[in-house]
Amino acid sequence: QGQLQQSGPGLVRPSQTLSLTCAISGDSVSTNSASWNWIRQSPSRGLEWLGRIYYRSNWYNNYADSVKSRITINPDTAKNQFSLQLESVTPEDTAVYYCAWVKSTDYDAFDVWGQGTMVTVSS
Amino acid sequence: QSVLTQPPSVSGAPGQTVTISCTGSSSNIGAGYDVNWYQHFPGTAPKLLIKGNTNRPSGVPDRFSGSKSGTSASLAITGLQGEDEADYYCQSYDNSASANWVFGGGTKLTVL
Repeated sequence: QGQLQQSGPGLVRPSQTLSLTCAISGDSVSTNSASWNWIRQSPSRGLEWLGRIYYRSNWYNNYADSVKSRITINPDTAKNQFSLQLESVTPEDTAVYYCAWVKSTDYDAFDVWGQGTMVTVSS
Repeated sequence: QSVLTQPPSVSGAPGQTVTISCTGSSSNIGAGYDVNWYQHFPGTAPKLLIKGNTNRPSGVPDRFSGSKSGTSASLAITGLQGEDEADYYCQSYDNSASANWVFGGGTKLTVL
């Protein structure tokens, strides 16, 4: 089945960088069939897909336009995890952040989700 | 404003059947992209309920079923149980959105 375990701070100061990590169990971050995603949920924006990375002999990424200039998602093959960095945060970035795993290319569905991290942007 | 439109709430008595709609457009559901459904209990991780419009992942009861037609999709829950009270979200792919994987605004199911 597999699991995702998130970690990272729950409070970030405005203009700073939000950093979260998602540890993978049950597969490899380098598997050729999966993609690794970050999604957030807030009352004002609902569920919002932020971006993904995937490995198909090389590493690729896609990012949502709303955060494209501020976001980086990276794999960590040594620790079998992936990370989210969101720069120059504002209170608008306050949300519950989820990592999510798309297991195969057959269905573009988020098969497994992390437990969620409530991140508050405040001074 | 979500790209996919769901009713904010639905309700039903135990044993009844409820249906949750998800309306999209020609750039997502109408373009032939699959619809997926998730069950979410606040404070926990969302759970994949239906993938590829009609397919239940292993372990999902057959009381849950999905369908799709034109620019819309639906989730039906038969034999409603108290444990089904949760938020439900549809999700698809959109070829014109700034964030290609898009969600509905969610529907709160209340079991009376």
